[in-house]
Amino acid sequence: NAGVTQTPKFQVLKTGQSMTLLCAQDMNHEYMYWYRQDPGMGLRLIHYSVGEGTTAKGEVPDGYNVSRLKKQNFLLGLESAAPSQTSVYFCASSYRTSGVGTQYFGPGTRLLVL
Amino acid sequence: KNEVEQSPQNLTAQEGEFITINCSYSVGISALHWLQQHPGGGIVSLFMLSSGKKKHGRLIATINIQEKHSSLHITASHPRDSAVYICAVNGRHRGSTLGRLYFGRGTQLTVWP
Repeated sequence: NAGVTQTPKFQVLKTGQSMTLLCAQDMNHEYMYWYRQDPGMGLRLIHYSVGEGTTAKGEVPDGYNVSRLKKQNFLLGLESAAPSQTSVYFCASSYRTSGVGTQYFGPGTRLLVL
Repeated sequence: KNEVEQSPQNLTAQEGEFITINCSYSVGISALHWLQQHPGGGIVSLFMLSSGKKKHGRLIATINIQEKHSSLHITASHPRDSAVYICAVNGRHRGSTLGRLYFGRGTQLTVWP
């Protein structure tokens, strides 16, 4: 039981490049989330999903897209990376149908955009 | 103004001391969470509570719904408790099944031997 895994762990991009971050969970959770964490700020929700095939915008969605084609996977895409997207990205999943439940976090992806 | 405020921002303690971290929130909530983030970056959930008090080992979390306030206590602190402690609340989200999480900025705790 691996819990929540994220790939890659580290990434360096040049401005304008694109990439996809993969989140996978093996706990059969319905809810999945993408957050970003920046120095001096709390975690902020980028996008979330309440089930396979559904996604919704969070607090800071601009510049990101997501897809949830399979229940266990939640992908975060950056179409044209910008230095402002330099951050640590965390994926999480939750087991309660209302979304109010313990969230299990992945180890994070450190992204540097030059 | 952040919906969730934590204090203090930084806390230094000597091994064995009793520690309290405070969290105040301004939104209606379904539940409150305490999370721990280690220097390596991983985030783990310590508690989820909606009333009263919960205890796990040396950690105790309390919540006062009327005062919109929660505290995390660590008894007999140890250097391995050094981490960032994050308070987060599930806001009541009208018209949605997702109670989104609002996060505090975290409290950096350092415990010296």
